[in-house]
Amino acid sequence: DVQLVESGGGLVQPGGSLRLACAISGFRFSNYAIHWVRQAPGKGLEFVSVISGNGYDSYYADSVKGRFTISRDKSKNMLFLEMGSLRLEDTGRYFCARVGPYYGLDYWGQGTVVTVSS
Amino acid sequence: QSVLTQPPSVSAAPGQTITISCSGTSSNIGTNFVSWYQHVPGAAPKLLIYDTNNRASGTPDRVSGSKSGTSATLDISGLQTGDEADYYCGAWDTRLSVYVFGAGTKVTVL
Repeated sequence: DVQLVESGGGLVQPGGSLRLACAISGFRFSNYAIHWVRQAPGKGLEFVSVISGNGYDSYYADSVKGRFTISRDKSKNMLFLEMGSLRLEDTGRYFCARVGPYYGLDYWGQGTVVTVSS
Repeated sequence: QSVLTQPPSVSAAPGQTITISCSGTSSNIGTNFVSWYQHVPGAAPKLLIYDTNNRASGTPDRVSGSKSGTSATLDISGLQTGDEADYYCGAWDTRLSVYVFGAGTKVTVL
């Protein structure tokens, strides 16, 4: 079965850092791009970042560019999101999602909650 | 403000048909694959439609999608109480090099 399981969320102060992880199973990691998508409290879904199947290409939302870094460890079937210089507006639930055929995000994890607060 | 424009809410009685619109531009809906997602708060979002009108696994055939130019539409017929959720359209934006979502449409079954 395809599974994506996020971890690493928590409470962090503004300006702090956090590393999210997404454990992947049930499919060949190198064949699929993977997204990070977030949802702030009371808001809609927002693209954060995506990394290609081979790990060579990545893209970021303007709101996180220069502060967040996406990476993957093929040997461990893990995806990561290094988040730095965190702001109050980074608070939300963070999902990892697989890019399926024709760019539909076909499998999602349950998400991990990040709270940025002093 | 979202790049893709959706109505904030749609409501209808059980059994009726609803239509959710998603308006974009030539750099997203106009040239790239459109998907639709159903999200019940607290759960993982679920892919309903990909490539404009292809149903994802598990999507009932009373759910359909279409596209014309830079606008896409999701139709749900035979509305059920279990359809109450937030619905999002999404597409890659070639000009911005990001994936864009609509702001979401809350569906209420009266």
